[in-house]
Amino acid sequence: DGGITQSPKYLFRKEGQNVTLSCEQNLNHDAMYWYRQDPGQGLRLIYYSQIVNDFQKGDIAEGYSVSREKKESFPLTVTSAQKNPTAFYLCASSTRRGGTDTQYFGPGTRLTVL
Amino acid sequence: GQQVMQIPQYQHVQEGEDFTTYCNSSTTLSNIQWYKQRPGGHPVFLIQLVKSGEVKKQKRLTFQFGEAKKNSSLHITATQTTDVGTYFCAGFLASGSARQLTFGSGTQLTVLP
Repeated sequence: DGGITQSPKYLFRKEGQNVTLSCEQNLNHDAMYWYRQDPGQGLRLIYYSQIVNDFQKGDIAEGYSVSREKKESFPLTVTSAQKNPTAFYLCASSTRRGGTDTQYFGPGTRLTVL
Repeated sequence: GQQVMQIPQYQHVQEGEDFTTYCNSSTTLSNIQWYKQRPGGHPVFLIQLVKSGEVKKQKRLTFQFGEAKKNSSLHITATQTTDVGTYFCAGFLASGSARQLTFGSGTQLTVLP
């Protein structure tokens, strides 16, 4: 059963702590993305990776870091430098098969900073 | 930077009424996609439009891409309670990285039974 998994679903962290959100896909997609969604808002791009061992900053990369050591995995670290980290984090992957660059989203992780 | 604006932000309709959300980009788009996010869920791809003036239909949903490829709309005929959710448009820049989508802020649809 192919898809994207994110863990954990809910995450609580104390202010000043780093936390890593997991994202794994078995769709054999080359590109992966991290978005942040705040209540009543659209999706804002944090980081994206088009191939293994390469990634680019999105619109709101400050306070976040990523790695892409394997095609299947694209973990996101929310560092203590992120001023307002409480949000819903969505991971996505995409491929250009059939001429459509569709993004497939994982179920998301809700991060709350206490 | 590129902006994709979407209106309205919220829409409440009675079941059976029609609904339309509009998407406008500050720059020309190579294509536009539409996604639906159910409450508590994640965005799910609905459709992609590529050609200028393109119109596509999916049952009660009609999607349009403007002639200048800067705007798009989603129209739902005779809404049902299953249509509840937030609808997002997302565009690829015509001259930028084709792998980076810019999402609109979404329209949250509530259907009253």
